[in-house]
Amino acid sequence: EPEVTQTPSHQVTQMGQEVILRCVPISNHLYFYWYRQILGQKVEFLVSFYNNEISEKSEIFDDQFSVERPDGSNFTLKIRSTKLEDSAMYFCASGGDEAFFGQGTRLTVV
Amino acid sequence: KQEVTQIPAALSVPEGENLVLNCSFTDSAIYNLQWFRQDPGKGLTSLLLIQSSQREQTSGRLNASLDKSSGRSTLYIAASQPGDSATYLCAVKKAGGTSYGKLTFGQGTILTVHP
Repeated sequence: EPEVTQTPSHQVTQMGQEVILRCVPISNHLYFYWYRQILGQKVEFLVSFYNNEISEKSEIFDDQFSVERPDGSNFTLKIRSTKLEDSAMYFCASGGDEAFFGQGTRLTVV
Repeated sequence: KQEVTQIPAALSVPEGENLVLNCSFTDSAIYNLQWFRQDPGKGLTSLLLIQSSQREQTSGRLNASLDKSSGRSTLYIAASQPGDSATYLCAVKKAGGTSYGKLTFGQGTILTVHP
């Protein structure tokens, strides 16, 4: 069964460093998303991406965040200068009416 | 701003019980509603999708209903099993003519089914 794949599963980084989280969406999907879940909190929307451009972003998605679809299969989230409060589980999703989520990348900023 | 609330926050039941998880949302102008399962430290698995025009959806032992006008959905789990233990999340997609809108999540119901 097709699935959304995320790498790495866990990343530890020092504050101020840049990180890139990678996702391979389901191949015939056209809409892509990033969400995050801080430990103990709700899953919250970051950004949606369609037709090679951002279609919607939340107030969380500020200038330190960017997304890219560098080729026909990958979808990435870059955090330019990580802060302690960026520590969270980051989920990639793809789909249309129904959203399918990956297993997540646990980002720990130390 | 859409707010999604799930009740109860946690539920512990013996194996075999039928149970109901509740989800309410403040803005009834939704495109659809999705129920997910999340195991500890894992991703979200889609369980059921209900379009705004639908009243319910069924998959195996799971049945989800939607009352859009009152801003409520319920997830019914029949004959619960220890393997059903997980966090169940409700999420709504706002209306607006597109299928690619963002999901707004509730905080989840932590379900424990003990043998």
